[in-house]
Amino acid sequence: AQTVTQSQPEMSVQEAETVTLSCTYDTSESDYYLFWYKQPPSRQMILVIRQEAYKQQNATENRFSVNFQKAAKSFSLKISDSQLGDAAMYFCAYPHTSGTYKYIFGTGTRLKVLA
Amino acid sequence: DAGVTQSPTHLIKTRGQHVTLRCSPISGHKSVSWYQQVLGQGPQFIFQYYEKEERGRGNFPDRFSARQFPNYSSELNVNALLLGDSALYLCASSGALWETQYFGPGTRLLVL
Repeated sequence: AQTVTQSQPEMSVQEAETVTLSCTYDTSESDYYLFWYKQPPSRQMILVIRQEAYKQQNATENRFSVNFQKAAKSFSLKISDSQLGDAAMYFCAYPHTSGTYKYIFGTGTRLKVLA
Repeated sequence: DAGVTQSPTHLIKTRGQHVTLRCSPISGHKSVSWYQQVLGQGPQFIFQYYEKEERGRGNFPDRFSARQFPNYSSELNVNALLLGDSALYLCASSGALWETQYFGPGTRLLVL
């Protein structure tokens, strides 16, 4: 069964510093996407970044970048120059595509940004 | 362009009642998915509709049903509400079946 694991329930980072959130997944598929979503207190789920598995280059969106290790099935999110507005729950998600197309989410990591 | 919209934003019901939640996808998007997010957990997949047909169903009881209309908006219906149905219900739309999903603000359902 496809699973997504986020082993860090909570992380803290000083403003302007860098933090990395971890995610591992399990799949037998060879071509797929991976996503990081941010959920602030408003609970709106916001797409942060996505990675295509067939691309060796790690995705980057401004201060957000990923470290994608396909063989290890690891997909971590790095936030540089952390800002107070980055404080939120972060979910790693993997779209299961066999039969039913659905997102499988991890349990989330709560990120606190300290001023 | 408007994002995914959901109504109502908040809802309070009592056990045994029925509820209907509504979702309007991003203009041009033909796929709508529904997720349930219990506090402290990640979203769990309920349904996906594409071109007005059900394309996927998660592990939820038959009390949960949904449909998609010709304008691609969607309704999620829950019958015989239980206390455990209290959650945030998220709707997500995508242009095609296997494209990136964009989420709405959710409907917060409280069952008393």
